[in-house]
Amino acid sequence: GQQVMQIPQYQHVQEGEDFTTYCNSSTTLSNIQWYKQRPGGHPVFLIQLVKSGEVKKQKRLTFQFGEAKKNSSLHITATQTTDVGTYFCGNYGGSQGNLIFGKGTKLSVKP
Amino acid sequence: DTGVSQDPRHKITKRGQNVTFRCDPISEHNRLYWYRQTLGQGPEFLTYFQNEAQLEKSRLLSDRFSAERPKGSFSTLEIQRTEQGDSAMYLCASSLGQATKGFFGPGTRLTVL
Repeated sequence: GQQVMQIPQYQHVQEGEDFTTYCNSSTTLSNIQWYKQRPGGHPVFLIQLVKSGEVKKQKRLTFQFGEAKKNSSLHITATQTTDVGTYFCGNYGGSQGNLIFGKGTKLSVKP
Repeated sequence: DTGVSQDPRHKITKRGQNVTFRCDPISEHNRLYWYRQTLGQGPEFLTYFQNEAQLEKSRLLSDRFSAERPKGSFSTLEIQRTEQGDSAMYLCASSLGQATKGFFGPGTRLTVL
C-alpha cells in the first residue's frame, strides 16, 4: 500500500514563529488529508487536498499539495500555544482504499 | 451526540484475558476503521469495513485479533489472550465512502498487566 513519510518528527518553536511539516510519498497520491491530535485527544480532521498544486488556507494554516501529487505540506504562520499537538497526514491508499497515516509531527510551542 | 463513540474508554486487564471493544460510527457512514496508537506514534491501521464487509486487514494483525461489523452499523474488536504488547489506544474512525472526511472516536485505552 501507499506509505506516507512525515518530517520532522518533532518541532519546538517559540510562540510567534512559523512552523512547517512535510508529508512525502514515493508514489502518486490520489488525495491527502491532514489531522490534528491534541495531547490526550483523538485525531480531528483539518482538510483534504485532491488536485495537483492545490493550496488551501484556514486562518493561519496553509496546506499545499505538490504538483506531482507526491508530497504535501502544512504551514502555520505565527504559532500560538493553541497550535500545540501532533499533526498527521493521511491518505486513502492500500489495495482496498483504506485510510493510512504518517507517523506525525509533534509541535510544541514555548510561550 | 452524533459523533463516533467507543466503549469502554479505559480497560485494564491481566495478561491472557480476552477483551472486546465496541465502536458506534456516525449512523450514515458506511466505512469503519480500527487503528492502534502507541505513545508518540501515528494511528496504525488494523482493519476496515465497508458496510458489513471486512475489506482489509493489516498484516500486523495477529490471529488473536478479530473484528466484526455484523449489521453494517456498530463494530467490535476482540483481542484474545492479551499480551503486554497489546497495551495501546485503540481508535475507531468512520467515513462516508472513500476519500471523504474521517471522524475519529475518543478511543479505548487498553492496559495489559
